[in-house]
Amino acid sequence: QQQVKQSPQSLIVQKGGISIINCAYENTAFDYFPWYQQFPGKGPALLIAIRPDVSEKKEGRFTISFNKSAKQFSLHIMDSQPGDSATYFCAASWVNTDKLIFGTGTRLQVFP
Amino acid sequence: EPEVTQTPSHQVTQMGQEVILRCVPISNHLYFYWYRQILGQKVEFLVSFYNNEISEKSEIFDDQFSVERPDGSNFTLKIRSTKLEDSAMYFCASNSGGRLELHNEQFFGPGTRLTVL
Repeated sequence: QQQVKQSPQSLIVQKGGISIINCAYENTAFDYFPWYQQFPGKGPALLIAIRPDVSEKKEGRFTISFNKSAKQFSLHIMDSQPGDSATYFCAASWVNTDKLIFGTGTRLQVFP
Repeated sequence: EPEVTQTPSHQVTQMGQEVILRCVPISNHLYFYWYRQILGQKVEFLVSFYNNEISEKSEIFDDQFSVERPDGSNFTLKIRSTKLEDSAMYFCASNSGGRLELHNEQFFGPGTRLTVL
């Protein structure tokens, strides 16, 4: 019940295209849903995060869409660039804890 | 920009040996964490540490594991008797603290790759 399921495992997108990564969860106690970006040789870095009281959050080319009833959330990367090529992890956490439950990761490759 | 640092970047050890992984969290941060990532799998929480004691640990964090903040800057993870299945990337993270419900950002280090032979 503490799992976060992420898909796809890998994604290849043309430069300028839209990259979409999906995550689903079961635990309705989750109240914080961050996305982390990881480049080779680096640790995960927070990209954008959302709480369940909003359905969408946008920061630049990155948007989280959140569907509370379906218990799903997704990351959309608009106008994908080669520099976006990285592994993306969704995660979740809940009140009174600060541990993050991570998804399995999506390796995104953006080709020029 | 302040960052979390970890040493060594790669550690190779024999099964049964003790290893200590070192981390220097961001200087004004109060909460510290260890996560691990077995190759090709997801990042998994191991332990959180605040005010010189463990605040939460996962079922992975058994008696073979311990954490310590030996001085004002370092945060260490010790594995007493390593097993083959301990081979993984170990990430240290820290955050500035505050109310848990605010979910302050966790800053991750670059990781230590542990290989147990």
